[in-house]
Amino acid sequence: QKEVEQNSGPLSVPEGAIASLNCTYSDRVSQSFFWYRQYSGKSPELIMSIYSNGDKEDGRFTAQLNKASQYVSLLIRDSQPSDSATYLCAVNPIKAAGNKLTFGGGTRVLVKP
Amino acid sequence: SQTIHQWPATLVQPVGSPLSLECTVEGTSNPNLYWYRQAAGRGLQLLFYSVGIGQISSEVPQNLSASRPQDRQFILSSKKLLLSDSGFYLCAWREEGSGGAQYEQYFGPGTRLTVT
Repeated sequence: QKEVEQNSGPLSVPEGAIASLNCTYSDRVSQSFFWYRQYSGKSPELIMSIYSNGDKEDGRFTAQLNKASQYVSLLIRDSQPSDSATYLCAVNPIKAAGNKLTFGGGTRVLVKP
Repeated sequence: SQTIHQWPATLVQPVGSPLSLECTVEGTSNPNLYWYRQAAGRGLQLLFYSVGIGQISSEVPQNLSASRPQDRQFILSSKKLLLSDSGFYLCAWREEGSGGAQYEQYFGPGTRLTVT
């Protein structure tokens, strides 16, 4: 079982719709969770971080965390063609040496005009 | 504000040649530093991390090595490149400390290496 799992996609979303991305993790005591966006050929860019159960909103992005079920999700509202990218979920286990992050394989999102 | 630099941006090297990639961070002190590799169409693989000058931890046994000669400088090296070393090399940093937002890692622009 992978430590952090994401559906590889592609997730095809019409422009203006909501894109819903999911991520599950295996380490029950993980405490920090992050979403990165990576455009093709570019480096990952941090877009959201979440540490407590519930929702966290930032512009068109909403991160949702459920530690009991060990999943974190990302909603992109009013999806735009510029949101087409690969989204990486990352988890920080509570006692990770060097404060390392464990990354999922990423979900590719395609927003179609 | 903090800035992370990597160079070169792209590199084409023959098999068996040496490698040196450099990463520097500005605007912070004693950061944790990380080297990742991303093969084409694949996920991020953590190669090395460092919590301080001269302190290097290796995640994957291979023909690569890392060094941290200065607080905000991280170098990735190889004596002899293999074809399988091709990929997108990313340096990342995070603030030293614990808790909350200090766990956030920020990536540099990356170096695209092609071994021929």
